[in-house]
Amino acid sequence: AQTVTQSQPEMSVQEAETVTLSCTYDTSESDYYLFWYKQPPSRQMILVIRQEAYKQQNATENRFSVNFQKAAKSFSLKISDSQLGDAAMYFCAYRSSQGAQKLVFGQGTRLTINP
Amino acid sequence: DGGITQSPKYLFRKEGQNVTLSCEQNLNHDAMYWYRQDPGQGLRLIYYSQIVNDFQKGDIAEGYSVSREKKESFPLTVTSAQKNPTAFYLCASSRRGTTNEKLFFGSGTQLSVL
Repeated sequence: AQTVTQSQPEMSVQEAETVTLSCTYDTSESDYYLFWYKQPPSRQMILVIRQEAYKQQNATENRFSVNFQKAAKSFSLKISDSQLGDAAMYFCAYRSSQGAQKLVFGQGTRLTINP
Repeated sequence: DGGITQSPKYLFRKEGQNVTLSCEQNLNHDAMYWYRQDPGQGLRLIYYSQIVNDFQKGDIAEGYSVSREKKESFPLTVTSAQKNPTAFYLCASSRRGTTNEKLFFGSGTQLSVL
């Protein structure tokens, strides 16, 4: 079974600075998808960014980018120019390319933005 | 506006009682999912359904039951067999259950035991 590990329970960053959240995963599959979700205090799950494993190019979405290292099974999220609205729980998730669209989530990282 | 509606927002369960959490979507999505979130933890899959009248167990299905009689609706029943039901429950849906389609999440139901 696939597992996802986020080793940083909490992180903090100064407003306007850059922060990187770590995620590692374990799988024997070669084709899969990886996601970062944001959960603000409202508890609504918001998709931040998505990466297909067969793509070598790292995904980017405005201030959010990933560093996908397939051989190392690492998938970190970089947030540039941090804003107060970025404060939230961030979850890394894995999805197999086969079968139903079941997501396997990491434990989450709570990100605090210091003004 | 299209979306997923979960109700109620807060629910309280007495000992030995079954309670049902509602999840309705008007996105015309085929697949629907139920996740459980405990404090400080990630989401764990309870049940999922890819088509009407069919559903599969997830990783933590014991003590829960579901039905999928309509495409729009996927209610979750927390039975008395679930000994630790206090958690935040999230429903999600996607357009197709077997491709890389984005998951849409509801706003969740917080279940607590009296």
